[in-house]
Amino acid sequence: QKEVEQDPGPLSVPEGAIVSLNCTYSNSAFQYFMWYRQYSRKGPELLMYTYSSGNKEDGRFTAQVDKSSKYISLFIRDSQPSDSATYLCAMKSRNTGFQKLVFGTGTRLLVSP
Amino acid sequence: DGGITQSPKYLFRKEGQNVTLSCEQNLNHDAMYWYRQDPGQGLRLIYYSQIVNDFQKGDIAEGYSVSREKKESFPLTVTSAQKNPTAFYLCASSFLREETQYFGPGTRLLVL
Repeated sequence: QKEVEQDPGPLSVPEGAIVSLNCTYSNSAFQYFMWYRQYSRKGPELLMYTYSSGNKEDGRFTAQVDKSSKYISLFIRDSQPSDSATYLCAMKSRNTGFQKLVFGTGTRLLVSP
Repeated sequence: DGGITQSPKYLFRKEGQNVTLSCEQNLNHDAMYWYRQDPGQGLRLIYYSQIVNDFQKGDIAEGYSVSREKKESFPLTVTSAQKNPTAFYLCASSFLREETQYFGPGTRLLVL
């Protein structure tokens, strides 16, 4: 079983829809959670960063962490064709010393005009 | 203009050849990382370095080598021992006490 599970998609939605992207994880030690957006043939771009549980909002994006369920989500409101990309979740534990980022495989999102 | 640069954008390797991928950052980050991305798989850590002249193996270091002679630079060499080198290679960097990493634009390596 992978440490981080993410549906690869593609997830196809019409412009203006609310999009929900999700990751589940198995390591209860994860404390830091990130979402990256990756356009085709480009490097990942950091979108959201949250620590522990709760919600964080930034413009049209909301990141949600539910540690009791080991489940994180990224919501995109009023989705635009420019949001079409692959979204990667990443997480990291809090232990001392070097802790690597563990990535999901990414969900491909297609927003049609 | 701060950021992470990787070159070349595309690289072709012949059988038995070593090739070197460049990564430079001007963000004053302490730590630098190399990842490999394959279709359907998450990013996998090849090597990382937290300080100049020191680096550690990641999960898939076999067939790769690195150096960290300057804080700004972390080149990756794909040796002939790496039997399946075709992939998208991503360099990242971060401050030591921050959890987030920032990525370069990537280098796509293809085998001729």
